[in-house]
Amino acid sequence: SQQGEEDPQALSIQEGENATMNCSYKTSINNLQWYRQNSGRGLVHLILIRSNEREKHSGRLRVTLDTSKKSSSLLITASRAADTASYFCATDPLMSRLVFGKGTKLTVNP
Amino acid sequence: IAGITQAPTSQILAAGRRMTLRCTQDMRHNAMYWYRQDLGLGLRLIHYSNTAGTTGKGEVPDGYSVSRANTDDFPLTLASAVPSQTSVYFCASSDRQGGSPLHFGNGTRLTVT
Repeated sequence: SQQGEEDPQALSIQEGENATMNCSYKTSINNLQWYRQNSGRGLVHLILIRSNEREKHSGRLRVTLDTSKKSSSLLITASRAADTASYFCATDPLMSRLVFGKGTKLTVNP
Repeated sequence: IAGITQAPTSQILAAGRRMTLRCTQDMRHNAMYWYRQDLGLGLRLIHYSNTAGTTGKGEVPDGYSVSRANTDDFPLTLASAVPSQTSVYFCASSDRQGGSPLHFGNGTRLTVT
Protein backbone atom coordinates (compact mmCIF):
# COMPACT_ATOMS: atom_id res chain seq x y z
CA SER A 1 0.00 0.00 0.00
CA GLN A 2 1.19 3.52 -0.60
CA GLN A 3 2.75 5.32 2.31
CA GLY A 4 5.10 8.10 3.19
CA GLU A 5 8.73 7.17 3.40
CA GLU A 6 11.01 9.13 5.71
CA ASP A 7 14.63 9.85 4.99
CA PRO A 8 17.07 9.37 6.62
CA GLN A 9 16.16 6.33 8.72
CA ALA A 10 18.42 7.61 11.51
CA LEU A 11 20.02 10.96 12.25
CA SER A 12 22.47 11.90 14.99
CA ILE A 13 23.33 15.54 15.68
CA GLN A 14 24.72 17.77 18.42
CA GLU A 15 22.56 19.94 20.59
CA GLY A 16 22.03 23.34 19.00
CA GLU A 17 22.26 22.04 15.44
CA ASN A 18 19.31 21.90 13.07
CA ALA A 19 17.73 18.58 12.12
CA THR A 20 16.06 17.99 8.77
CA MET A 21 13.94 14.99 7.95
CA ASN A 22 12.29 14.29 4.62
CA CYS A 23 9.17 12.43 3.61
CA SER A 24 8.14 11.23 0.16
CA TYR A 25 4.77 9.83 -0.79
CA LYS A 26 3.15 8.32 -3.85
CA THR A 27 -0.39 9.55 -4.45
CA SER A 28 -2.37 12.78 -4.16
CA ILE A 29 -3.18 13.82 -0.63
CA ASN A 30 -5.48 16.14 1.30
CA ASN A 31 -2.87 16.88 3.93
CA LEU A 32 0.38 15.63 5.43
CA GLN A 33 1.08 15.37 9.14
CA TRP A 34 4.18 14.91 11.26
CA TYR A 35 4.23 13.02 14.54
CA ARG A 36 6.82 12.43 17.23
CA GLN A 37 7.23 9.26 19.28
CA ASN A 38 9.33 9.11 22.40
CA SER A 39 10.65 5.70 23.38
CA GLY A 40 7.93 3.52 24.89
CA ARG A 41 5.17 6.06 24.28
CA GLY A 42 2.42 6.73 21.78
CA LEU A 43 2.75 9.10 18.85
CA VAL A 44 2.11 12.78 19.41
CA HIS A 45 0.81 15.04 16.64
CA LEU A 46 3.18 17.90 15.80
CA ILE A 47 1.88 19.71 12.76
CA LEU A 48 -0.50 19.37 9.81
CA ILE A 49 0.05 20.97 6.43
CA ARG A 50 -2.70 21.03 3.83
CA SER A 51 -2.12 20.27 0.18
CA ASN A 52 -2.65 23.93 -0.77
CA GLU A 53 -0.01 25.13 1.71
CA ARG A 54 3.72 25.28 0.99
CA GLU A 55 5.18 26.05 4.40
CA LYS A 56 4.07 26.06 8.00
CA HIS A 57 5.74 26.97 11.27
CA SER A 58 5.15 25.93 14.86
CA GLY A 59 7.70 27.08 17.41
CA ARG A 60 11.04 25.54 16.40
CA LEU A 61 9.38 23.38 13.76
CA ARG A 62 9.20 24.28 10.08
CA VAL A 63 7.41 22.05 7.62
CA THR A 64 7.44 22.39 3.86
CA LEU A 65 5.31 20.61 1.30
CA ASP A 66 6.01 20.23 -2.41
CA THR A 67 3.04 18.49 -3.99
CA SER A 68 4.68 18.49 -7.44
CA LYS A 69 7.53 16.39 -6.04
CA LYS A 70 5.28 14.58 -3.56
CA SER A 71 7.63 15.40 -0.73
CA SER A 72 7.73 17.17 2.61
CA SER A 73 10.45 18.15 5.03
CA LEU A 74 10.48 18.73 8.78
CA LEU A 75 13.10 21.09 10.14
CA ILE A 76 13.79 21.31 13.85
CA THR A 77 15.90 24.34 14.63
CA ALA A 78 18.29 24.71 17.58
CA SER A 79 17.75 21.10 18.61
CA ARG A 80 17.74 20.00 22.24
CA ALA A 81 18.42 16.65 23.87
CA ALA A 82 14.68 16.45 24.59
CA ASP A 83 14.03 16.36 20.83
CA THR A 84 15.49 12.85 20.75
CA ALA A 85 12.66 10.71 19.40
CA SER A 86 11.36 9.03 16.27
CA TYR A 87 9.55 11.25 13.80
CA PHE A 88 6.87 10.00 11.42
CA CYS A 89 5.13 11.54 8.50
CA ALA A 90 1.56 10.52 7.79
CA THR A 91 -0.30 11.12 4.58
CA ASP A 92 -3.99 11.47 4.03
CA PRO A 93 -4.62 9.92 0.62
CA LEU A 94 -7.79 11.15 -1.02
CA MET A 95 -10.82 9.14 0.15
CA SER A 96 -8.75 7.03 2.51
CA ARG A 97 -7.35 6.84 6.02
CA LEU A 98 -4.09 8.17 7.43
CA VAL A 99 -1.04 6.13 6.39
CA PHE A 100 2.24 6.33 8.29
CA GLY A 101 5.82 6.04 7.14
CA LYS A 102 8.46 4.02 8.93
CA GLY A 103 9.99 6.96 10.74
CA THR A 104 13.29 8.75 11.27
CA LYS A 105 15.07 8.11 14.54
CA LEU A 106 16.64 11.36 15.73
CA THR A 107 19.32 11.43 18.41
CA VAL A 108 20.40 14.79 19.78
CA ASN A 109 23.63 14.53 21.72
CA PRO A 110 24.16 16.96 24.61
CA ILE B 1 -6.49 14.66 31.78
CA ALA B 2 -8.38 13.96 28.55
CA GLY B 3 -6.96 11.27 26.36
CA ILE B 4 -6.83 7.61 25.47
CA THR B 5 -6.33 4.82 27.97
CA GLN B 6 -5.09 1.43 26.86
CA ALA B 7 -4.97 -1.71 28.96
CA PRO B 8 -3.04 -3.77 29.70
CA THR B 9 0.30 -2.01 29.33
CA SER B 10 1.96 -5.29 28.46
CA GLN B 11 1.01 -8.92 28.25
CA ILE B 12 2.63 -12.28 27.57
CA LEU B 13 0.17 -14.66 25.98
CA ALA B 14 0.37 -18.31 25.02
CA ALA B 15 -0.36 -19.11 21.39
CA GLY B 16 -3.95 -20.16 20.82
CA ARG B 17 -5.32 -18.08 23.69
CA ARG B 18 -7.93 -15.38 23.27
CA MET B 19 -7.06 -11.83 24.26
CA THR B 20 -8.88 -8.50 24.28
CA LEU B 21 -6.96 -5.24 24.30
CA ARG B 22 -8.96 -2.42 25.79
CA CYS B 23 -9.11 1.18 24.59
CA THR B 24 -11.15 4.00 26.08
CA GLN B 25 -11.23 7.68 25.12
CA ASP B 26 -12.84 10.59 26.92
CA MET B 27 -12.64 13.18 24.15
CA ARG B 28 -15.96 12.20 22.52
CA HIS B 29 -14.12 11.60 19.25
CA ASN B 30 -16.14 9.94 16.53
CA ALA B 31 -13.34 7.98 14.85
CA MET B 32 -11.11 5.38 16.48
CA TYR B 33 -8.31 3.22 15.15
CA TRP B 34 -6.09 0.29 16.04
CA TYR B 35 -2.52 0.18 14.72
CA ARG B 36 0.27 -2.27 15.25
CA GLN B 37 3.88 -1.13 15.28
CA ASP B 38 6.66 -3.49 14.30
CA LEU B 39 10.34 -2.76 13.92
CA GLY B 40 11.15 -1.90 10.33
CA LEU B 41 7.50 -1.85 9.28
CA GLY B 42 6.22 1.29 10.92
CA LEU B 43 2.58 1.58 11.94
CA ARG B 44 -0.01 -0.46 10.12
CA LEU B 45 -3.75 0.01 10.46
CA ILE B 46 -5.63 -3.07 11.71
CA HIS B 47 -9.24 -1.86 12.06
CA TYR B 48 -11.01 1.44 12.35
CA SER B 49 -14.39 2.84 13.31
CA ASN B 50 -15.73 6.09 11.86
CA THR B 51 -18.53 6.31 14.42
CA ALA B 52 -20.21 4.22 17.09
CA GLY B 53 -21.87 1.17 15.58
CA THR B 54 -19.62 0.96 12.51
CA THR B 55 -16.25 -0.68 11.90
CA GLY B 56 -13.98 -1.26 8.94
CA LYS B 57 -10.91 -3.25 7.96
CA GLY B 58 -7.51 -1.67 7.66
CA GLU B 59 -4.32 -2.90 6.07
CA VAL B 60 -3.74 -5.97 8.30
CA PRO B 61 -7.11 -7.12 9.73
CA ASP B 62 -6.66 -10.90 9.63
CA GLY B 63 -6.74 -12.54 13.06
CA TYR B 64 -8.28 -9.48 14.73
CA SER B 65 -11.81 -8.28 15.40
CA VAL B 66 -13.22 -5.08 16.86
CA SER B 67 -16.51 -3.72 18.09
CA ARG B 68 -17.78 -0.19 18.72
CA ALA B 69 -20.81 -0.41 20.96
CA ASN B 70 -20.45 3.20 22.13
CA THR B 71 -18.39 6.32 21.40
CA ASP B 72 -15.80 5.82 24.13
CA ASP B 73 -14.72 2.18 23.84
CA PHE B 74 -13.02 0.32 21.01
CA PRO B 75 -11.72 -3.10 22.09
CA LEU B 76 -9.49 -5.22 19.88
CA THR B 77 -9.79 -9.00 20.14
CA LEU B 78 -7.37 -11.68 19.09
CA ALA B 79 -9.51 -14.82 18.88
CA SER B 80 -6.61 -17.28 18.80
CA ALA B 81 -3.24 -15.60 19.18
CA VAL B 82 -0.26 -16.56 17.01
CA PRO B 83 3.43 -15.58 17.45
CA SER B 84 3.28 -13.25 14.42
CA GLN B 85 0.88 -11.08 16.42
CA THR B 86 3.70 -10.19 18.80
CA SER B 87 3.80 -6.41 18.46
CA VAL B 88 3.06 -3.10 20.11
CA TYR B 89 -0.57 -2.13 19.64
CA PHE B 90 -1.70 1.48 19.60
CA CYS B 91 -5.21 2.78 19.83
CA ALA B 92 -5.92 6.23 18.42
CA SER B 93 -8.85 8.56 17.93
CA SER B 94 -9.76 11.65 15.93
CA ASP B 95 -12.73 13.99 15.98
CA ARG B 96 -13.68 12.98 12.47
CA GLN B 97 -12.68 10.45 9.87
CA GLY B 98 -10.18 11.14 7.17
CA GLY B 99 -7.15 13.34 7.73
CA SER B 100 -7.77 14.79 11.16
CA PRO B 101 -4.87 14.65 13.64
CA LEU B 102 -4.82 11.47 15.69
CA HIS B 103 -4.54 11.19 19.45
CA PHE B 104 -2.69 8.06 20.53
CA GLY B 105 -2.67 5.94 23.65
CA ASN B 106 0.63 4.71 25.07
CA GLY B 107 0.27 1.25 23.62
CA THR B 108 0.04 -2.36 24.69
CA ARG B 109 3.16 -4.48 24.26
CA LEU B 110 1.97 -8.00 23.44
CA THR B 111 4.21 -11.05 23.27
CA VAL B 112 2.72 -14.30 21.95
CA THR B 113 4.80 -17.35 22.86
